Amino acid sequence: QSVLTQPPSASGTPGQRVTISCSGSSSNIGSNYVYWYQQLPGTAPKLLFYRNNQRPSGVPDRFSGSKSGTSASLAISGLRSDDEADYYCAAWDDSLSAVVFGGGTKLTVL
Amino acid sequence: EVQLVESGGGLIQPGGSLRLSCTVSGFTVGSHMTWVRQAPGKGLEWVSLIYSDGTTYYADSVKGRFTISRDNSKNTLYLQINSLRAEDTAVYYCARAPPYGDYYGMDVWGQGTTVTVSS
Repeated sequence: QSVLTQPPSASGTPGQRVTISCSGSSSNIGSNYVYWYQQLPGTAPKLLFYRNNQRPSGVPDRFSGSKSGTSASLAISGLRSDDEADYYCAAWDDSLSAVVFGGGTKLTVL
Repeated sequence: EVQLVESGGGLIQPGGSLRLSCTVSGFTVGSHMTWVRQAPGKGLEWVSLIYSDGTTYYADSVKGRFTISRDNSKNTLYLQINSLRAEDTAVYYCARAPPYGDYYGMDVWGQGTTVTVSS
């Protein structure tokens, strides 16, 4: 059972907009920045967002991140087939003194 | 170019020990560094973090069995794994904290090294 809660799956058709949620608590998302990672099949994870909504260079602006209270969201607009991947949220947890991950969301492009 | 290359994985019997290495280039291993693992078909699990000042943190699942360390002269990060259990079977990734972000973030990852615990 992951400390951060994500839906196990999400889907959309090409061109659509999809959103992936990440729910936590006051000790993690509520008091620290959220990071998002994309893991394409068979590859290492890649940083998608740091500090809630900051995109590293090279990440398309079709991707957006947000945070409100103890929840965060990742939105992908103009969905493409190569967006099919697992997406993970993460944050520092002050109570656990640990990095906590969400269980991951498998995105399928129909 | 910033690069991380893990090594040291393999097939090991339960109760055994292993030392994983992560050799970095393009930056100094003295940065905040993290180990993350992924069991077959499962999600990412944070394992350990070492601050630039040497302070270390561990997941409860590995505390007392795993030790993170580094050798700045070799630009290499290590993870000593003792008392291995079947549930430690996973791909182990090392990652760097982003210079522009937070100590617990991970902006560049290695390709991973596989540890299989089985008799």
